Amino acid sequence: AQKITQTQPGMFVQEKEAVTLDCTYDTSDQSYGLFWYKQPSSGEMIFLIYQGSYDEQNATEGRYSLNFQKARKSANLVISASQLGDSAMYFCAMREISMNTGFQKLVFGTGTRLLVSP
Amino acid sequence: EAGVTQFPSHSVIEKGQTVTLRCDPISGHDNLYWYRRVMGKEIKFLLHFVKESKQDESGMPNNRFLAERTGGTYSTLKVQPAELEDSGVYFCASSRDGYEQYFGPGTRLTVT
Repeated sequence: AQKITQTQPGMFVQEKEAVTLDCTYDTSDQSYGLFWYKQPSSGEMIFLIYQGSYDEQNATEGRYSLNFQKARKSANLVISASQLGDSAMYFCAMREISMNTGFQKLVFGTGTRLLVSP
Repeated sequence: EAGVTQFPSHSVIEKGQTVTLRCDPISGHDNLYWYRRVMGKEIKFLLHFVKESKQDESGMPNNRFLAERTGGTYSTLKVQPAELEDSGVYFCASSRDGYEQYFGPGTRLTVT
């Protein structure tokens, strides 16, 4: 079964600086997908970025980029030019496909709480 | 387009009581998922509906949990009787094609 590990329970960064949130994964599948979600204090889970295992380039979405190192099984999220509104929980997740049904579900890590200071 | 909605946002009940959580997916999304996050731990998959059919309920903790999706629209998740370890945040997500999942704001359940 897939496993996601986020080793940083909390991270601090100053406004306008870049920060990297770590995520490592474990899977025996050749084809897989990796996601990052943001959960602000309001509670909703906001999709940020997706990386497919066969994507040759690292995914980018605005200030978010995913540093995908397949050999190391890592998919770190890089947030550039941090803003106060980036303070939130961040979850790394992997798509797991059921052998029985072919449908997918997400396997999550424990999350990293990011605090951006002025 | 309205997002995934969940009701209530917060529920506090005593051990042994019953609670029913509701999820309204995005209109047209046949796939509906329930997840749960117990304090400090990872978000864990509970089950997956396609329309009204349960495709995968491998994550349901035990038979105190019952999920339904009558008519293939909204879904309910009932916990009966609730135990202290059921406390956590229950998320619902929906998907049109089974790939990108859109999450609701969650229901925070506190069992005392």
